[in-house]
Amino acid sequence: GDSVTQMEGPVTLSEEAFLTINCTYTATGYPSLFWYVQYPGEGLQLLLKATKADDKGSNKGFEATYRKETTSFHLEKGSVQVSDSAVYFCALQGTSGSRLTFGEGTQLTVNP
Amino acid sequence: EAQVTQNPRYLITVTGKKLTVTCSQNMNHEYMSWYRQDPGLGLRQIYYSMNVEVTDKGDVPEGYKVSRKEKRNFPLILESPSPNQTSLYFCASSPGLATSSYNEQFFGPGTRLTVL
Repeated sequence: GDSVTQMEGPVTLSEEAFLTINCTYTATGYPSLFWYVQYPGEGLQLLLKATKADDKGSNKGFEATYRKETTSFHLEKGSVQVSDSAVYFCALQGTSGSRLTFGEGTQLTVNP
Repeated sequence: EAQVTQNPRYLITVTGKKLTVTCSQNMNHEYMSWYRQDPGLGLRQIYYSMNVEVTDKGDVPEGYKVSRKEKRNFPLILESPSPNQTSLYFCASSPGLATSSYNEQFFGPGTRLTVL
């Protein structure tokens, strides 16, 4: 079945550091890929998405590129801020419907 | 404001006492789903509904029931809660397969349930 694997956390960075959170997936066909963010005490919010190979999703300075050859969708940001502290989830949606499969989540803490 | 609402936000109960967590969306979405979030496991789908009167099991349906009598509501029912159902629960909705934005899911704020 479908599965998503994220890099182990937590991740702690200083403000303005470069961020990479790795995500790889296993799925049949051509799934859609997502990054969701969960701020403390809140529900999940869609951060960005990519629906086909080589698509780049971007939002709020975050980027991720759908790499079918490496089955990856790594999240990157060039300069993180304290306000980016949150839990980040990689997810995929298979071709059969709306169901989302999530990774374990990565806790990011950004220190001033 | 377009949103998914859940009630209650926090609940402490005892083993075996039936409870219902409500979920409502005001976006006329066809698809709704329940997830539970546990440390180290991410979010796992409990049940989902493609439309009114259509529900199906997700990855971890044991011990839960759902119903979808109206498009906007999708309650989660625990007939006899047990401590292993202590978790953070999220309801989500999306427009449905017939639309171009079907894969954008909107999440509620979560319900933290503790079963003693």
